[in-house]
Amino acid sequence: AQSVTQLDSHVSVSEGTPVLLRCNYSSSYSPSLFWYVQHPNKGLQLLLKYTSAATLVKGINGFEAEFKKSETSFHLTKPSAHMSDAAEYFCVVSENPNNAGNMLTFGGGTRLMVKP
Amino acid sequence: SAVISQKPSRDICQRGTSLTIQCQVDSQVTMMFWYRQQPGQSLTLIATANQGSEATYESGFVIDKFPISRPNLTFSTLTVSNMSPEDSSIYLCSASWGGYNEQFFGPGTRLTVL
Repeated sequence: AQSVTQLDSHVSVSEGTPVLLRCNYSSSYSPSLFWYVQHPNKGLQLLLKYTSAATLVKGINGFEAEFKKSETSFHLTKPSAHMSDAAEYFCVVSENPNNAGNMLTFGGGTRLMVKP
Repeated sequence: SAVISQKPSRDICQRGTSLTIQCQVDSQVTMMFWYRQQPGQSLTLIATANQGSEATYESGFVIDKFPISRPNLTFSTLTVSNMSPEDSSIYLCSASWGGYNEQFFGPGTRLTVL
């Protein structure tokens, strides 16, 4: 079984400072991991994904995440926050044993607030 | 990626009625899914929409309440039946392509039940 825990429900940063959104996962198989972003009244957009290649994954809008198997973590970072980064962020795990289908399990979400 | 659209984008309905939500993808996809996002909550998978056969429902969701159709590789519908205020949520469809396990999401349908 797979599960995802986002350690902070809310994160507040000042514009121009670094962003860290924390995510821990549990999986019985070698998982794929994703970060999605949801802006207010908008659908979900894929930020980045890890699928057993490079452990440091670069995504859109300057975000990146590092897969650490020993820590079962996949934290999302950005060196410098922008006001437009204010949104809800979801860490997502997918198991696909035997190519049986790509079931996604979502974390509880982290609301990122960016102060001017 | 592809363009995924949903209709309606939002609706306000009376309790006891039903609403059908449509999801259209602009290219053929392998898999389509329906999710519910209750107010202030994360996403929960309702079911996998299978082309040409009955949908596969997750625990806590049943076909009588959430009938799903998928007549072809680009289109699916979700019906929320006999609605109550507890059904007020955002309903999202998603799609994925064979060999890739990320999903791409539609914009969602915001449902309010009075």
